[in-house]
Amino acid sequence: EAGVAQSPRYKIIEKRQSVAFWCNPISGHATLYWYQQILGQGPKLLIQFQNNGVVDDSQLPKDRFSAERLKGVDSTLKIQPAKLEDSAVYLCASSSGGTGTPEQFFGPGTRLTVL
Amino acid sequence: AQKITQTQPGMFVQEKEAVTLDCTYDTSDPSYGLFWYKQPSSGEMIFLIYQGSYDQQNATEGRYSLNFQKARKSANLVISASQLGDSAMYFCAMREGEAGGFKTIFGAGTRLFVKA
Repeated sequence: EAGVAQSPRYKIIEKRQSVAFWCNPISGHATLYWYQQILGQGPKLLIQFQNNGVVDDSQLPKDRFSAERLKGVDSTLKIQPAKLEDSAVYLCASSSGGTGTPEQFFGPGTRLTVL
Repeated sequence: AQKITQTQPGMFVQEKEAVTLDCTYDTSDPSYGLFWYKQPSSGEMIFLIYQGSYDQQNATEGRYSLNFQKARKSANLVISASQLGDSAMYFCAMREGEAGGFKTIFGAGTRLFVKA
């Protein structure tokens, strides 16, 4: 089975520019997560979707970050305008939401550098 | 207050020996789950092991076992017979809440160095 896909893998932008990341979860997975991982820290949940709906976006800086999950499958995360402190790896993960071990499957991440 | 605490920023272990990575958690939910993930230098997050709060026995997956002490709110990862490929960051995570509203919180991680 194909894993979680993310693109791009790397992105370098200047502050105040905008950027978008794309995630395609594992087929059939109802729950999709976006995490921000700053160098040397653990992942921080930005937003969690259950199918089309948002379950938790309490740590999403809504003045500059937005995310959507159209048709309950792919998702995009956007930053506009970017700040220096947004430099991080953005991880997308998905989980089935069914019975059994509720592990999350992670994509390779997008490394963002804001200059 | 920290929900997940990993007090060891770095750990060294000799190849073929066992090592314990500490994790304590804080929650008032009666139903929760605890995870360990491995993150090698390549960056991908790899699921290792899961323990549910109602599970009676400690979880085991090959060389990984989770020492779950509910009263002490600890969920330490034990890696037996360490291998050079075990050198990586290890994250403890907790999932709490109800179905449809689960939240997952990660600790700061422990970097494990396996020496030859």
